[in-house]
Amino acid sequence: DTAVSQTPKYLVTQMGNDKSIKCEQNLGHDTMYWYKQDSKKFLKIMFSYNNKELIINETVPNRFSPKSPDKAHLNLHINSLELGDSAVYFCASSKGLAGGTDTQYFGPGTRLTVL
Amino acid sequence: RKEVEQDPGPFNVPEGATVAFNCTYSNSASQSFFWYRQDCRKEPKLLMSVYSSGNEDGRFTAQLNRASQYISLLIRDSKLSDSATYLCVVKRNQGGKLIFGQGTELSVKP
Repeated sequence: DTAVSQTPKYLVTQMGNDKSIKCEQNLGHDTMYWYKQDSKKFLKIMFSYNNKELIINETVPNRFSPKSPDKAHLNLHINSLELGDSAVYFCASSKGLAGGTDTQYFGPGTRLTVL
Repeated sequence: RKEVEQDPGPFNVPEGATVAFNCTYSNSASQSFFWYRQDCRKEPKLLMSVYSSGNEDGRFTAQLNRASQYISLLIRDSKLSDSATYLCVVKRNQGGKLIFGQGTELSVKP
């Protein structure tokens, strides 16, 4: 009965490779997000989608491309991986966009290590 | 300057202690405020929302001062299980973007 799930949990890869991280939520939420937590533990939003439409696109290299095939899924594809991409990537979802106390639920994270 | 600032700690306290965390935010357009908790190598989880009137949930009390752009979290009678990183979070309603502070680490010792 996992609410927000991500695969894989761990990803170790070489510089220059292309990789994808998948996210799925079974909460019936309309909005999904990708966050990055770097080695200093600082969590920062990357993207958000509402009903498959891109809403937030922070200053992220265009090597990162989110894809939302339906509102329950938001995948993150990363091209030409660099050492600095090593981090934990969290997917999250919420019911809507506005609504002051609308809770965001986070997935367990994907720990990406680029060698 | 970061938009949400917290004292990173760590705070090392004995069981039963009262501990207070402070947070300041710089964008007056921030609309909603939260405390999240993150255990080591786990995802952040909502601890509580923060309202202007102040709110309490068991041993946890949160306060918001919009004029000073200041948020606090008070934990009374600390338990070993309270050991975690506490994240101060603000949200602007537009787009639902959460902006996280760097977190304050709490370690409760027997």
